[in-house]
Amino acid sequence: DAKTTQPTSMDCAEGRAANLPCNHSTISGNEYVYWYRQIHSQGPQYIIHGLKNNETNEMASLIITEDRKSSTLILPHATLRDTAVYYCIVSPTTGNQFYFGTGTSLTVIP
Amino acid sequence: DAGVIQSPRHEVTEMGQEVTLRCKPISGHDYLFWYRQTMMRGLELLIYFNNNVPIDDSGMPEDRFSAKMPNASFSTLKIQPSEPRDSAVYFCASSTLALRGEQYFGPGTRLTVT
Repeated sequence: DAKTTQPTSMDCAEGRAANLPCNHSTISGNEYVYWYRQIHSQGPQYIIHGLKNNETNEMASLIITEDRKSSTLILPHATLRDTAVYYCIVSPTTGNQFYFGTGTSLTVIP
Repeated sequence: DAGVIQSPRHEVTEMGQEVTLRCKPISGHDYLFWYRQTMMRGLELLIYFNNNVPIDDSGMPEDRFSAKMPNASFSTLKIQPSEPRDSAVYFCASSTLALRGEQYFGPGTRLTVT
């Protein structure tokens, strides 16, 4: 079962930062936070993951609170192509068994 | 690399027929996952393999579903007999431990059972 809570939907203006929250209050010490997204009719796509520290890559930044009970995925300059369902997942360090939940449907508005 | 390859991309079959979905993982990946996605239940993990061995099949809905991985480059998901409620998009994904949870998904097979 999914161990995360995300808002059902969000809107973001094109060019602005999109901040997608995720609550994972029961996260265990050996569990990572993963973010994936699914653009309509495509397979999910990996975005980023982290354990304790904040992480950044070419796609996004991941901010994890100090108590690790919540995190925020940041898309710094949202484009129309970022419209997708975003999934926050917690999983043990091997990261092999994912339960995707319902995710957040992000709509980027022109 | 061509990525994860799935075939067919679309399958329409009649209730009671056998359906076989195929997946070729990315070369060098030793984990393979089968997922099912429906509007009602979202994206569900059905089964996953490590080094061609099934590790967890607790997500397989019932005995009508079976999955095999005869070698490192090929896996099948079979439904026999198929039912209308099996209609869904079936995704295959592959990974390796070094990727620490980064799974690569195929384009999916859209199955319609009439």
